[in-house]
Amino acid sequence: AQSVTQLGSHVSVSEGALVLLRCNYSSSVPPYLFWYVQYPNQGLQLLLKYTTGATLVKGINGFEAEFKKSETSFHLTKPSAHMSDAAEYFCAVLTGGGNKLTFGTGTQLKVEL
Amino acid sequence: EPEVTQTPSHQVTQMGQEVILRCVPISNHLYFYWYRQILGQKVEFLVSFYNNEISEKSEIFDDQFSVERPDGSNFTLKIRSTKLEDSAMYFCASSPGQGYNSPLHFGNGTRLTVT
Repeated sequence: AQSVTQLGSHVSVSEGALVLLRCNYSSSVPPYLFWYVQYPNQGLQLLLKYTTGATLVKGINGFEAEFKKSETSFHLTKPSAHMSDAAEYFCAVLTGGGNKLTFGTGTQLKVEL
Repeated sequence: EPEVTQTPSHQVTQMGQEVILRCVPISNHLYFYWYRQILGQKVEFLVSFYNNEISEKSEIFDDQFSVERPDGSNFTLKIRSTKLEDSAMYFCASSPGQGYNSPLHFGNGTRLTVT
């Protein structure tokens, strides 16, 4: 079965610092991977996705993620954190032939002055 | 940009009562989903719906749950007899098609509290 594991349920960074949120996947087939963000009192918003092709994927709000097959990872990064990035971030993998997503447990990002 | 809308944002109900959570998917989308997130836990898939029938459901989606598209715009999740453990955030989602090129669009969720 396909799954994702997010290391670190809470990450705290200073404004302007690098953001690194970790996600590792388990899949016997080439995975389709996603990062979603949930701002307070809002729904899940797609940040970026990896399907095939280029392994470095750019998303909205300056985020990007790199698919590394050798490390079974899909970590999310942003060079410089902004206060508005404070939210919960979810890694997910597309499971089966449809649109069923299997989510990680989420990482709460806190950005401090 | 079109949005998935969910009502109400917060629902409180007593154990054993029936509850209906409502969703209006994006108008040209064909696939509809319900997910839930129990506080502190993962977002979990409940059910997917296409062409007026359930296409897939999880083991969580037992006989207490049902989904319906009563008209051309609404998509509802009914819990027949709520239990304390049904307390969670319920997310509706829709997509225009299937597969990785049709990502899910989520609503803001309905927080269900069962007392």
